[in-house]
Amino acid sequence: QKEVEQNSGPLSVPEGAIASLNCTYSDRGSQSFFWYRQYSGKSPELIMFIYSNGDKEDGRFTAQLNKASQYVSLLIRDSQPSDSATYLCAVHGSGNTGKLIFGQGTTLQVKP
Amino acid sequence: DADVTQTPRNRITKTGKRIMLECSQTKGHDRMYWYRQDPGLGLRLIYYSFDVKDINKGEISDGYSVSRQAQAKFSLSLESAIPNQTALYFCATSNPGTGGNEQFFGPGTRLTVL
Repeated sequence: QKEVEQNSGPLSVPEGAIASLNCTYSDRGSQSFFWYRQYSGKSPELIMFIYSNGDKEDGRFTAQLNKASQYVSLLIRDSQPSDSATYLCAVHGSGNTGKLIFGQGTTLQVKP
Repeated sequence: DADVTQTPRNRITKTGKRIMLECSQTKGHDRMYWYRQDPGLGLRLIYYSFDVKDINKGEISDGYSVSRQAQAKFSLSLESAIPNQTALYFCATSNPGTGGNEQFFGPGTRLTVL
């Protein structure tokens, strides 16, 4: 079992729709969770982080965390073609390792 | 703006050559990381350093070495490059002292080993 799992996609949504990206993790003691956006050939860019159960909203983005289910998601409202990218889920596990474990990423395609 | 920079941005080399990738940051972060990214394999950690005197192996350190010359500089070396080291390489930094473990990435180096 991979430590951080994401569906590789591609996930295709029409412009203006809600895109829902999901991530599961295996370390029950994981403490913090991150979503990065990566355009093709570019570096990952941090877009959201979440530490506590529940929802965290930032503009069109909402991160959702459910530690009991070991599940974290990212919702993108009013999806735009410019949101087309690969979204990486990253988890900081238990202990003060300072290391993030990355999922393989989900490719999102927003069609005009 | 505080930033993470990497040089070179692109490099083509031949099998057996020694090559160094450099990373510099002006963020004032203590922690620095080297990753490689391959299609379908995601980001894999090569080495990481929590301060100038601290170097740690990641999950795929074989064939690589690093040097932390200063708080702001962290170099990755391939002593004898081989074709399966062709990949996109990223440097990243973090500063848990500010409250989080989020990492900030440099622009990457695309390395091709022929």
